[in-house]
Amino acid sequence: GAVVSQHPSRVICKSGTSVKIECRSLDFQATTMFWYRQFPKQSLMLMATSNEGSKATYEQGVEKDKFLINHASLTLSTLTVTSAHPEDSSFYICSARGDGGAGRDTQYFGPGTRLTVL
Amino acid sequence: SQQGEEDPQALSIQEGENATMNCSYKTSINNLQWYRQNSGRGLVHLILIRSNEREKHSGRLRVTLDTSKKSSSLLITASRAADTASYFCATGRSGTYKYIFGTGTRLKVLA
Repeated sequence: GAVVSQHPSRVICKSGTSVKIECRSLDFQATTMFWYRQFPKQSLMLMATSNEGSKATYEQGVEKDKFLINHASLTLSTLTVTSAHPEDSSFYICSARGDGGAGRDTQYFGPGTRLTVL
Repeated sequence: SQQGEEDPQALSIQEGENATMNCSYKTSINNLQWYRQNSGRGLVHLILIRSNEREKHSGRLRVTLDTSKKSSSLLITASRAADTASYFCATGRSGTYKYIFGTGTRLKVLA
C-alpha cells in the first residue's frame, strides 16, 4: 500500500525556536496533503490542507503565520512551527490523499512527529 | 464542534468477545472511514464505507452506516489482545476532500 513518511519522528526544541517537519509520499504523488495535531488522549484536529503549488488552506483558529506550510512538490509538504512555545507541544501527523481511482478517497497517514517545546 | 462523537469513549473487554464502537456525525458525507491508532503511533486505515453503502466487511471487521441517523458502527469480532488501540471514525464531507475525525474509542482487550 501507499507509504507516507515523516521526519523527524521526535524533536525537542527550546522556546522561541522554529521547527520544520517534513511529510513525504514515498510511492505515489500527492497533490493534496493534510496536517493534523493531536493532544494526548484526544482526537486529531485538522490544521490545514496543503495543495501542491498553491497556498495552504487553514482551518478556523489556526494561525497561518505560526504554522507555515509549503507543498513544493508532488511528494513533499513541510510544516514549520515558528517561534515555538510549550503550548505547541503536540503530536503532529500528516496525511496524503491517494491518487486516482478508488485511492483518491483514502488518506494515508504518516507515523507522526512528537514535538516537545521546553 | 466540527468533530463527530464516538461512544463509548473507552471499552474494556475480554479476549474472544466482540467489541462495538459507534460514531455519530453532523454533516452530509461522501464516505466514512475507520482508523486504528496504537499508542503514540500514526493511524492505520481499516475500512472505508461510502454514503450509498449500508454495510461492509473486512476480515473480523464489520462496519455499518445509517445516513438517515448520521451514524456508523464498527464491530470487531473475536477480539484479540493485539486489537488494543484507539479507534477513530473520519467523515469525508461532500464537496471537499477534508476528513473530520471523531473523538475516538480507546479499546482494551484483556488476555
